[in-house]
Amino acid sequence: DTAVSQTPKYLVTQMGNDKSIKCEQNLGHDTMYWYKQDSKKFLKIMFSYNNKELIINETVPNRFSPKSPDKAHLNLHINSLELGDSAVYFCASSQVTDTQYFGPGTRLTVL
Amino acid sequence: AQSVTQPDIHITVSEGASLELRCNYSYGATPYLFWYVQSPGQGLQLLLKYFSGDTLVQGIKGFEAEFKRSQSSFNLRKPSVHWSDAAEYFCAVGDRAGTASKLTFGTGTRLQVTL
Repeated sequence: DTAVSQTPKYLVTQMGNDKSIKCEQNLGHDTMYWYKQDSKKFLKIMFSYNNKELIINETVPNRFSPKSPDKAHLNLHINSLELGDSAVYFCASSQVTDTQYFGPGTRLTVL
Repeated sequence: AQSVTQPDIHITVSEGASLELRCNYSYGATPYLFWYVQSPGQGLQLLLKYFSGDTLVQGIKGFEAEFKRSQSSFNLRKPSVHWSDAAEYFCAVGDRAGTASKLTFGTGTRLQVTL
């Protein structure tokens, strides 16, 4: 009964490819997030959705496009992958502005 | 804009010794403060949080933190460290943006525990 799950856990791909990471939460929360953790472990917010509506959109290349089919799912699609996109991507969810609960992360490696 | 500083990149303590991890924040209003822990290859687990009220908050695994507004600090403490506490610790401040909250993290403190 995983609270916030992400697939895949590992993703290895070539430069220029397009890939997606999926996130699902079963906590009944209505707000979901994507964070990026770089090689130095620094965490930075990318996006946030509330009930399928985009709330937070940080300075992220437009090659990154979040999609929320319903309030329990928030997927991240990345076009034309670059070496600098290699990182660990974390999904999180919260009940509005309350505590955020994180998924296990997806380690993306771009070769 | 809010910011979080964790001055200690790496700390080593002996098992059974006490621990204090420092966190200083910059935020214009009353902050929402968090400590998360990340074990190798794992996600982030919430240790404790401060929203309002009692400035000494208790968390899981025997951790506590004290909010000091005058010092803009939210230091994490544990009286006796266990080897399983070895991990990366992140302090964060939350900024409410409508129906979401933007967390700004510090750079983390890596805790090593010697036996």
